[in-house]
Amino acid sequence: AQSVTQPDIHITVSEGASLELRCNYSYGATPYLFWYVQSPGQGLQLLLKYFSGDTLVQGIKGFEAEFKRSQSSFNLRKPSVHWSDAAEYFCAKGHDMRFGAGTRLTVKP
Amino acid sequence: NAGVTQTPKFRILKIGQSMTLQCTQDMNHNYMYWYRQDPGMGLKLIYYSVGAGITDKGEVPNGYNVSRSTTEDFPLRLELAAPSQTSVYFCASTRTQGYTFGSGTRLTVV
Repeated sequence: AQSVTQPDIHITVSEGASLELRCNYSYGATPYLFWYVQSPGQGLQLLLKYFSGDTLVQGIKGFEAEFKRSQSSFNLRKPSVHWSDAAEYFCAKGHDMRFGAGTRLTVKP
Repeated sequence: NAGVTQTPKFRILKIGQSMTLQCTQDMNHNYMYWYRQDPGMGLKLIYYSVGAGITDKGEVPNGYNVSRSTTEDFPLRLELAAPSQTSVYFCASTRTQGYTFGSGTRLTVV
């Protein structure tokens, strides 16, 4: 069964616009949750993670994510997108690090 | 501090050949993982390990084997390479926080 679902395969936003990438997970006892970014031809870089505590998590590069247990979601947000944010974004869950299929972000000038 | 090191970076195999993808980390991480990423797709977990001597299957283990004789090393073995194993392979490690990925091995089976 799919542990992590990213409903949006591809999203296009204009530079300077806000961004929200969706991630839904199948609930586990300890929903360790992560967001990674992958630029073309590169490895993965951790943006942020949630283990416990404050449900609003701040990450690198101006990203944040909010854990909502009632909605089984961990959506990634950024208030103002830069052209350099164009990449593939992956949500992942758990100690066994199951990944979603990814969302490709395109940024329009 | 090298982090997670994968070798080789690129490899072309013929059908039926075998090879080992090497993964080494110098951060004393307990958890290590192997993933494959097919073009335009997400990462699929092949195997993972929670410590030396302990390994477990992930989502797509068929055609692969692993071992974890030391904390540092987590090699991935392909015994009989098949075209379906053409992919980019990533190794990752963590202790409890701060997952680190290697730069990947691009494998083509022809």
